[in-house]
Amino acid sequence: NAGVTQTPKFRVLKTGQSMTLLCAQDMNHEYMYWYRQDPGMGLRLIHYSVGEGTTAKGEVPDGYNVSRLKKQNFLLGLESAAPSQTSVYFCASTLNAGRGADTQYFGPGTRLTVL
Amino acid sequence: LAKTTQPISMDSYEGQEVNITCSHNNIATNDYITWYQQFPSQGPRFIIQGYKTKVTNEVASLFIPADRKSSTLSLPRVSLSDTAVYYCLVGAGGVSGGYNKLIFGAGTRLAVHP
Repeated sequence: NAGVTQTPKFRVLKTGQSMTLLCAQDMNHEYMYWYRQDPGMGLRLIHYSVGEGTTAKGEVPDGYNVSRLKKQNFLLGLESAAPSQTSVYFCASTLNAGRGADTQYFGPGTRLTVL
Repeated sequence: LAKTTQPISMDSYEGQEVNITCSHNNIATNDYITWYQQFPSQGPRFIIQGYKTKVTNEVASLFIPADRKSSTLSLPRVSLSDTAVYYCLVGAGGVSGGYNKLIFGAGTRLAVHP
């Protein structure tokens, strides 16, 4: 049981390039989330998904797209990277969100630098 | 939306008890209070969650007064490995609970000294 994994761990992009970050969970969780964390700050929610085939915008969705084609995977895409997107990206999942605030399980993060 | 306020940083020494208080004056009836811990270069990790009164697990205790407008995370006998950022979250979860507005905030940076 690997929990939540993220690929890649590190990436350097040039402005205007595109890339996709992959998040995978093996806990059969329904809900998945993408956050970004800038130095010295807390996490901000980019997009989330309440189930396979569904996605929704979070607090800071501009410049990002997501897809949840399979229940266990949640992809975060940057179509045209900008230096302002330099950050650490965390993926998380929860079993469901039916009662209370279910525990979020986080991945190890992807450190992205846009030059 | 229940906004939380917690100290930016705290210092302690090994073996001491540490109490971190979080204010959430606008907490809603169906909101839970959850604390996460984050080490450098790692994702946050769940510590404890509660709704009211006191909750204790093998890692920490969570004290919630009757009005639920604040909560206190208590770490007994801290060690150097407890040096981390601690986040207080308030929310009910789910689309109706406002997942698009779940905010971690800057958290409390706890430094434990020898």
